[in-house]
This record gives sequence, C-alpha cells and structure tokens, in this order.
Amino acid sequence: EPEVTQTPSHQVTQMGQEVILRCVPISNHLYFYWYRQILGQKVEFLVSFYNNEISEKSEIFDDQFSVERPDGSNFTLKIRSTKLEDSAMYFCASSGGRTLGEQYFGPGTRLTVT
Amino acid sequence: KQEVTQIPAALSVPEGENLVLNCSFTDSAIYNLQWFRQDPGKGLTSLLLIQSSQREQTSGRLNASLDKSSGRSTLYIAASQPGDSATYLCAARTGTASKLTFGTGTRLQVTL
Repeated sequence: EPEVTQTPSHQVTQMGQEVILRCVPISNHLYFYWYRQILGQKVEFLVSFYNNEISEKSEIFDDQFSVERPDGSNFTLKIRSTKLEDSAMYFCASSGGRTLGEQYFGPGTRLTVT
Repeated sequence: KQEVTQIPAALSVPEGENLVLNCSFTDSAIYNLQWFRQDPGKGLTSLLLIQSSQREQTSGRLNASLDKSSGRSTLYIAASQPGDSATYLCAARTGTASKLTFGTGTRLQVTL
C-alpha cells in the first residue's frame, strides 16, 4: 500500500543551524502538507502546498520556514535558523485529487535543537 | 477559529469491552472530520474520514458518527483488544481551508 515516507527519522542540530526535512508523498497525490507536534501538545498545521505554491500557511510558518518541491517526488521543509522552540516532531502529509480529501501522514522526523 | 476538544484525555478498559471516544468542535461549518491513531513516538494512521454530508462511517470494528448541529463526533470501538491501545486523535477540516485542526487526543489502554 502506498505510504508517505520521511527522512531522517531523527535530526539533532545546534541552535542557529539550518535543517532540511524531507518527505516523499504518495505518488499520485497533488496536495502536500507539513504539521508539527511539540512533545505533549496538539498536532499543529504549518503549511499546505499545491501546484508548486503555498496554498495556506499558519502563523507559525514565518520567514524562517520555507517549502519546496525540488523534483517530481520530494517535498521539503527548510528551517533557516533553528531555535530551541523548533524542537518537535514534524509530520508530512499528502492528499489526493480533491483538495479536501483524506490526508495520509508520514512517520515523522523528530527534530531536536540543542 | 475552529477549536477541537477530546474527552476524556485518558481511558482504560478491559479487553472485550465496547467503548466510545468523543470529539467536540466549535465551528459547525466543517467539511470533513478525520480520526487517527497514534502509537507512542510514531506517526498518524488514518482510521476513518467522515464527510460533512455523512452521519456515519464504518471500518471493521470502528464506527464514526458525525453530528454537525451539536458539534460532536464519536468513535465507537467494538470488542476492544490490547492492540487497540494507542492515542486516538480527531481532526476537523473547516470550510474551504485545507488544514486539519486537531484535538489533544484520548489515550486508550486496553487491559488483559
């Protein structure tokens, strides 16, 4: 069964460093998302992406964040200058041909900023 | 702004029992509602998607209901098993927005 994959599973970085989290969405999906979950808190929406542009973003998704679909299969989240409070589990998700369809989530990347 | 609440935060039941998990939302203009399972330190597994036009959706031992007028959804789990132990999350998509708004989850433990 097709699934969303994410790499790495765990990333440790120092404050101020740039990180890139990678995702491979389900191959025929058109809509892509990033969410994050700080330990013990709710899953929070960051950004959605369709047709090579951001379609929606939350107030969390400020100038330090960016997303890209560099080729036909990968979807990346870049955090330019990490802060301690960026430590969280980051989930990628994708959905099919209809914008408001079922979202399928990847296993997540645990980001630890020291 | 949509807010999603799940009660109880934790639940422990003996194996074989039927149980209901609750999800409340404040904005009734939802497009759909999705139930997920999350195992500790793991990703989110989609269990059921219920559209705003539907009242119920079933998958195996799981049944989700939706009542937009009262702002509630329930997830019914029949004949619970120890393997059902996990955190269950509901998430609402509201209006034309693409994002999901999540509840805090119910941590379920099914004991032998």
